[in-house]
Amino acid sequence: QSVLTQPPSVSAAPGQKVTISCSGSSSNIGNNDVSWYQQLPGTAPKLLIYDDNKRPSGIPDRFSGSKSGTSATLAITGLQTGDEADYYCIAWDTSLTAGVFGGGTKLTVL
Amino acid sequence: QVQLVESGGGVVQPGRSLRLSCAASGFTLSNYIIHWVRQAPGEGLEWVAVSSIDGRTDHYAESVKGRFTVSRDNSKNTVYLQMDSLRIDDTAFYHCARQLQGLDHWGRGTLVTVSS
Repeated sequence: QSVLTQPPSVSAAPGQKVTISCSGSSSNIGNNDVSWYQQLPGTAPKLLIYDDNKRPSGIPDRFSGSKSGTSATLAITGLQTGDEADYYCIAWDTSLTAGVFGGGTKLTVL
Repeated sequence: QVQLVESGGGVVQPGRSLRLSCAASGFTLSNYIIHWVRQAPGEGLEWVAVSSIDGRTDHYAESVKGRFTVSRDNSKNTVYLQMDSLRIDDTAFYHCARQLQGLDHWGRGTLVTVSS
């Protein structure tokens, strides 16, 4: 049981938009930054979003992050087949003094 | 270029110990916080531990607290994860990752299999 809650799977057609939610509490998302990672099969995770809504250089603006209260959202527009992957959110939990991941969301581009 | 390479994984019996290494290149390790993250086969990511720059504010997941210890040798640009009293559910790929703005660089991981 993950501390942060993500939907197990989402799907959408190529070119469409999808959002992935990440729900937590005041001890993690509510008071600490959220980052998002993409993991393609057989590879290490890759940073997509940090500090809730900032993109590292090289990440297309099709990927965006937002946060409201104790929930964060990753949005992906203009879906491509290459976006099929697992997506994870993580935040620091002040009460646990530990990092906490969401359970991961598998994106399928139909 | 920035690179992190984990090593030290293998097959070990329950109750035994293993030490993983995370060798950094392309940057000065002493200036960065390093995290350990694991992933059991077919499962999601699990945060394990963080190695602070000064070594005084290391933190651990509840599942490994008291059994795992992080340390670093800045002269070797290497961070270590000492894993004692290993359990079957510690079986996973172990990744180290650099914290800058988010976890911006990850190693490919080393597989630890705990089995009798």
